[in-house]
Amino acid sequence: DAKTTQPTSMDCAEGRAANLPCNHSTISGNEYVYWYRQIHSQGPQYIIHGLKNNETNEMASLIITEDRKSSTLILPHATLRDTAVYYCIGFSNTGNQFYFGTGTSLTVIP
Amino acid sequence: DTEVTQTPKHLVMGMTNKKSLKCEQHMGHRAMYWYKQKAKKPPELMFVYSYEKLSINESVPSRFSPECPNSSLLNLHLHALQPEDSALYLCASSQESGVNEQFFGPGTRLTVL
Repeated sequence: DAKTTQPTSMDCAEGRAANLPCNHSTISGNEYVYWYRQIHSQGPQYIIHGLKNNETNEMASLIITEDRKSSTLILPHATLRDTAVYYCIGFSNTGNQFYFGTGTSLTVIP
Repeated sequence: DTEVTQTPKHLVMGMTNKKSLKCEQHMGHRAMYWYKQKAKKPPELMFVYSYEKLSINESVPSRFSPECPNSSLLNLHLHALQPEDSALYLCASSQESGVNEQFFGPGTRLTVL
């Protein structure tokens, strides 16, 4: 499974878009990119995942570069409740376990 | 019901105690997981059960003993733990093991004295 690299921490103004980058340069062709977040003292929460194409759901958008070596999670209008640690995970469809990276601690500022 | 429940929420135990953590889901998921999370660290996978059979043990010490009595329940039996085992223990489930969204419970906060 791909090793992922993320910035340790980021700030974002409330109401603005939060763009969280992830580098996964060792990702293989069959590995999906998953994003989870963990609000303090809660279990991780699934956000979105993708393989090659950009994806959007009610929570976020996922932009994957054409070479698939990096991706960006976009929270279009960040709120204070989006303050959390965001994990980018590379996950193979032949494996069956997640290895969480160190994640990005996002703080949304009023 | 899209929820994974864990009991107890908090547990304090001595090094000679035997205790169990319980996890339950009623989503019909056939894969269940235990993770351990130390403060300010990401979750670390401990065990994976697929169709009630242990499929992955990430070299976890034998003082942690998982059990999957049926497809909805996952237990983690604890015996002779060390203070460094104090952590948040997270349970998760997914439809199948492999490329599937995992649903996490809120965790059990364990303190070993």
